[in-house]
Amino acid sequence: NAGVTQTPKFRVLKTGQSMTLLCAQDMNHEYMYWYRQDPGMGLRLIHYSVGEGTTAKGEVPDGYNVSRLKKQNFLLGLESAAPSQTSVYFCASSDPASPETQYFGPGTRLLVL
Amino acid sequence: AQKVTQAQTEISVVEKEDVTLDCVYETRDTTYYLFWYKQPPSGELVFLIRRNSFDEQNEISGRYSWNFQKSTSSFNFTITASQVVDSAVYFCALSAIKAAGNKLTFGGGTRVLVKP
Repeated sequence: NAGVTQTPKFRVLKTGQSMTLLCAQDMNHEYMYWYRQDPGMGLRLIHYSVGEGTTAKGEVPDGYNVSRLKKQNFLLGLESAAPSQTSVYFCASSDPASPETQYFGPGTRLLVL
Repeated sequence: AQKVTQAQTEISVVEKEDVTLDCVYETRDTTYYLFWYKQPPSGELVFLIRRNSFDEQNEISGRYSWNFQKSTSSFNFTITASQVVDSAVYFCALSAIKAAGNKLTFGGGTRVLVKP
């Protein structure tokens, strides 16, 4: 059981470039989440999904898009990266039977120059 | 709207000292969960504890203890006899008890530095 994995671990982008962060979980969880972590601000929810084919906006969704085409994968896209999107991105998943307990991935560090 | 406040941004102690991390929360929900996570220098998030708002019993796990006081909306965390390995950022978080898409609201974190 790998739990929640994230790809890549680290990436450097130039302003205006696009990229996709991949989150995968092997726990058959229905719910998945994307957070960003910035210094002094804790983690903030970007988007989340309560099931395959569904997505919803979180606290800071602007500049990001997401897709949940398969239950085990949750993709976070940046269409035109900006320096303000330099952050550490965490993916998490949870099960409807115990939705409050989220399992986190190891994080992706993104630097936008 | 939910809010979690960790007023202490950084705490520095010498090994074997006790350290208490404060967490104050705001929510309009009558039922909710409270959490503490640890983020060591390696960066991953480590789940420490979950508390249901119905259960105000304090909890102890080894050198860790938690004091939940609903009357003051606080969920404080104490590390007894701190060790260098306790050096990390600690996050308090809040989640409403809902049927779907439980979203965690995090505090800003408290960095704990334990010196040998």
